Amino acid sequence: NAGVTQTPKFRILKIGQSMTLQCTQDMNHNYMYWYRQDPGMGLKLIYYSVGAGITDKGEVPNGYNVSRSTTEDFPLRLELAAPSQTSVYFCASNDRESGANVLTFGAGSRLTVL
Amino acid sequence: AQSVTQPDIHITVSEGASLELRCNYSYGATPYLFWYVQSPGQGLQLLLKYFSGDTLVQGIKGFEAEFKRSQSSFNLRKPSVHWSDAAEYFCAVVGGSYIPTFGRGTSLIVHP
Repeated sequence: NAGVTQTPKFRILKIGQSMTLQCTQDMNHNYMYWYRQDPGMGLKLIYYSVGAGITDKGEVPNGYNVSRSTTEDFPLRLELAAPSQTSVYFCASNDRESGANVLTFGAGSRLTVL
Repeated sequence: AQSVTQPDIHITVSEGASLELRCNYSYGATPYLFWYVQSPGQGLQLLLKYFSGDTLVQGIKGFEAEFKRSQSSFNLRKPSVHWSDAAEYFCAVVGGSYIPTFGRGTSLIVHP
């Protein structure tokens, strides 16, 4: 049982480049989330999804896009990378129907924009 | 809207000493409350959670937390800290929206 898998683990981008952070979970969780973590700022929610085909903005969505075509996958797209998007990105999922509300996190993707 | 405050950015303790990390939340009713731990270069792992019932909850690695409704607090404690406990600790709250909100984290430094 792999849990939540994120790729890549590290990436360096130039300003204006685009890329996609991949996130896959094998727990059949309906709910998936993207957070970014900046030093001293905790985790800020970027986007979340309550099921395939349904996504919604979180606290800091500007500069990002997401899609949810399957239950397993929830990729995060950066269209025009900016230095302000240098951060560590975490994907997470949970199974709200069970009442657990406990998040399972991926190992993170460290992105640097130069 | 819900919010979480972790007032301490860094906490330094000696190995073997007791530990208390503070967490205060803002929400109109009783939320779900969580503590997660993040080791360097890793994702977050659940330490313990409170949903209802007994206000003192036990978690992994010898940690416990106490929910105090009157103080809107959910402080994390450990009676004797080990060097391996050095990590970042996050308090989180889930309210009516069912979307988790995290505090900014507290970095625990353990001196030998």
